[in-house]
Amino acid sequence: ETGVTQTPRHLVMGMTNKKSLKCEQHLGHNAMYWYKQSAKKPLELMFVYNFKEQTENNSVPSRFSPECPNSSHLFLHLHTLQPEDSALYLCASSPGTSVQETQYFGPGTRLLVL
Amino acid sequence: RKEVEQDPGPFNVPEGATVAFNCTYSNSASQSFFWYRQDCRKEPKLLMSVYSSGNEDGRFTAQLNRASQYISLLIRDSKLSDSATYLCVVMTGGSYIPTFGRGTSLIVHP
Repeated sequence: ETGVTQTPRHLVMGMTNKKSLKCEQHLGHNAMYWYKQSAKKPLELMFVYNFKEQTENNSVPSRFSPECPNSSHLFLHLHTLQPEDSALYLCASSPGTSVQETQYFGPGTRLLVL
Repeated sequence: RKEVEQDPGPFNVPEGATVAFNCTYSNSASQSFFWYRQDCRKEPKLLMSVYSSGNEDGRFTAQLNRASQYISLLIRDSKLSDSATYLCVVMTGGSYIPTFGRGTSLIVHP
């Protein structure tokens, strides 16, 4: 399935590096999301974009910077990360943001911060 | 109290068994409920929505108990391919922030 794609699939970076994660959805959806999934923890919502506008920032540290140039693309810019930021970063999209919307997830980027 | 709680398991069952998971939620204003399935090292995928009247999809039955604030997932005639982590998701009216449980791990063995 290629509804939601993410690149890179794996990333190793040092604490002083700057990198970006990319997400693209081919489903014609208007809402896009970034999640963090750490071992033995629930998925944590980080950011929500609806029609390119950020509508939620779930108290995410500023070393994570999202960008949504259009409804199909979402980026997560990373800089000066900490080892505890190592996790699976999942992008998702949905048609809209009502409470009944199904979310479609990308395969994720597995990030390791050294 | 956590917003959405699930027993992490693992639930270890033989093929053909019936297994049930519960998920409790703390916000009585919650309106929408879902079960997602996540295979090892894969992304979550919607399994089914949970309606007030309960719903069934083949071997899977989901139910909602608003009075006790929990949802359940029943899997009949378990298959090896049912082995996965089952995530409970709750959404509250007026907010489009889904809250995920940490998941319940199911292992179906021959």
